[in-house]
Amino acid sequence: GAVVSQHPSRVICKSGTSVKIECRSLDFQATTMFWYRQFPKQSLMLMATSNEGSKATYEQGVEKDKFLINHASLTLSTLTVTSAHPEDSSFYICSARDLAGSVGELFFGEGSRLTVL
Amino acid sequence: GNSVTQMEGPVTLSEEAFLTINCTYTATGYPSLFWYVQYPGEGLQLLLKATKADDKGSNKGFEATYRKETTSFHLEKGSVQVSDSAVYFCALSDLQGAQKLVFGQGTRLTINP
Repeated sequence: GAVVSQHPSRVICKSGTSVKIECRSLDFQATTMFWYRQFPKQSLMLMATSNEGSKATYEQGVEKDKFLINHASLTLSTLTVTSAHPEDSSFYICSARDLAGSVGELFFGEGSRLTVL
Repeated sequence: GNSVTQMEGPVTLSEEAFLTINCTYTATGYPSLFWYVQYPGEGLQLLLKATKADDKGSNKGFEATYRKETTSFHLEKGSVQVSDSAVYFCALSDLQGAQKLVFGQGTRLTINP
């Protein structure tokens, strides 16, 4: 099946620094990618919808200035956590829909675990 | 708004046992329903789906039937294997706009030999 790759898989940073996470669709094109956040033992919470060539659409309660999303090409979306704080520590997961794929089917990256000290 | 409620875990079974993981949903309209599985160290993978009432999705011995009258999509498998140990997520898609997925909280399943 289609492959979505995230990088880095784990990152540790100091409070106040910014961290960029990449999400790539390796063998298909994706006009739409989604970014989720997963807390321990909890479900995936949709943060934003990333649209190629346009601004991301953020879910209610998600700070767009803290979580910067860029979708510069049909195979790459990036999430930048700006001025990270310990409460931003979490598991971030991206997903992408294959342009040729069936309704609702998404392909997920392996996730990126962010730890802010 | 749309929501999904899953049976709380963790669930621990012996190999060859029968599995049921309950999932109920709240949605306007007629969403598509999905089960995703997350194996240790891997990303979520689509396990099965159903797009309309009374549809049955099936894959790898797992089944789930879209029950509109009970707003449920319970996951079942007749005989589980150690390799089925994973976290299972029920989800729905509203088919509108970006077709966003709404997930349940996930159920961790451990199968002992």
